[in-house]
Amino acid sequence: EAGVTQFPSHSVIEKGQTVTLRCDPISGHDNLYWYRRVMGKEIKFLLHFVKESKQDESGMPNNRFLAERTGGTYSTLKVQPAELEDSGVYFCASRPRGNYEQYFGPGTRLTVT
Amino acid sequence: KQEVTQIPAALSVPEGENLVLNCSFTDSAIYNLQWFRQDPGKGLTSLLLIQSSQREQTSGRLNASLDKSSGRSTLYIAASQPGDSATYLCAVRRNTGFQKLVFGTGTRLLVSP
Repeated sequence: EAGVTQFPSHSVIEKGQTVTLRCDPISGHDNLYWYRRVMGKEIKFLLHFVKESKQDESGMPNNRFLAERTGGTYSTLKVQPAELEDSGVYFCASRPRGNYEQYFGPGTRLTVT
Repeated sequence: KQEVTQIPAALSVPEGENLVLNCSFTDSAIYNLQWFRQDPGKGLTSLLLIQSSQREQTSGRLNASLDKSSGRSTLYIAASQPGDSATYLCAVRRNTGFQKLVFGTGTRLLVSP
């Protein structure tokens, strides 16, 4: 069974540009989560999808971040426009219904210069 | 607000030693606690998940304990090996509302041959 995959593995963009991160969860997992770790800080929750619906987006830092999960399969996280403080590692995780363990992807390292 | 603290921040031991990593959390109303391992440039690998009703979980040389009332968990690694070198993270999920994980900042472990 394939794990959670994320693309790209690393992205370097300039301040003000737009970047879109993609997450493909484990097949059949209804729950999808986005987290991020900025330099020197702990991993923090961004938002949670159940299928295509946003269950909890309390961790989204501001309206420059937009997450979607059309069709309840893969998800994208767009940052527009990117700021320097957005640099960090963005993790995606998925979880099947009824199971409480979250499975994490390898992360996307975002560097904003 | 739930806060998770991990001590020590870094640990260096010679191969073969038994060691204990500590995790404390401020709100004892948790649903479960999960220990993860992160290798440099890689995603998070789940090691052990302890439900709030459980006291401990074991997997191979790893044993995790949970004392919910005092807000503490420990990860015991027996007979450490160089391959155990990684960052170890604990994360808690609260028992009401949404399903996000709250992470500690991690313990960076180095096991020398």
